[in-house]
Amino acid sequence: EVQLVQSGAEVKKPGESLKISCKGSGYNFNSYWIGWVRQMPGKGLEWMGIIYPGDSDTRYSPSFQGQVTISADKSISIAYLQWSSLKASDTAMYYCARLAGGNSLGWFDPWGQGTLVTVSS
Amino acid sequence: QSVLTQPPSVSGAPGQRVTISCTGSSSNIGAGYDVHWYQQLPGTAPKLLIYGNSNRPSGVPDRFSGSKSGTSASLAISGLQAEDEADYYCQSYDSSLGVFGTGTKVTVL
Repeated sequence: EVQLVQSGAEVKKPGESLKISCKGSGYNFNSYWIGWVRQMPGKGLEWMGIIYPGDSDTRYSPSFQGQVTISADKSISIAYLQWSSLKASDTAMYYCARLAGGNSLGWFDPWGQGTLVTVSS
Repeated sequence: QSVLTQPPSVSGAPGQRVTISCTGSSSNIGAGYDVHWYQQLPGTAPKLLIYGNSNRPSGVPDRFSGSKSGTSASLAISGLQAEDEADYYCQSYDSSLGVFGTGTKVTVL
């Protein structure tokens, strides 16, 4: 069974750094793009960016370029999303999802369970 | 601000048919990019509902159907059931970067 399991909820203060993770199993992790999606409280889904673990090719939505870093460690089948200096506006649920369809223009399936990030002083 | 526009809400009685539109432009849907649809039940992660404009993954009831024409796409739910009450999102690409629709809340009356 293809599965993505994300790290647990985080509570951080503004200015702190954070790295959340997404572990893939049940498929060849190196051969599928993995994406990150933000959902702010009570709001819709936002496409943040994707990474191809096989060669670390990474693409960011303009809204998130320079705000976050997406990376992957293919040796342990884990993708990461990190912030160097969190803001209160980063408070949201973050989902990882595998990109199906054979290229970088596919559909997200399956999805991880989500990681809730709360940033508050 | 999303480049794909959906109605904020639609509603229908059990058994009825409802449709959700996803309106884009010549740089995304109209450029030939496929449209995909996701269902998000309350308090859960999104789930793939339709891929490649009109294809249903295994396990998705055939009450759900998708179509695409020009710069728009649509999701139809026929025989509406109480369990269909959820948020629905379209997704496509614009200049090879992903974009989601604004989302539509479906209410079963």
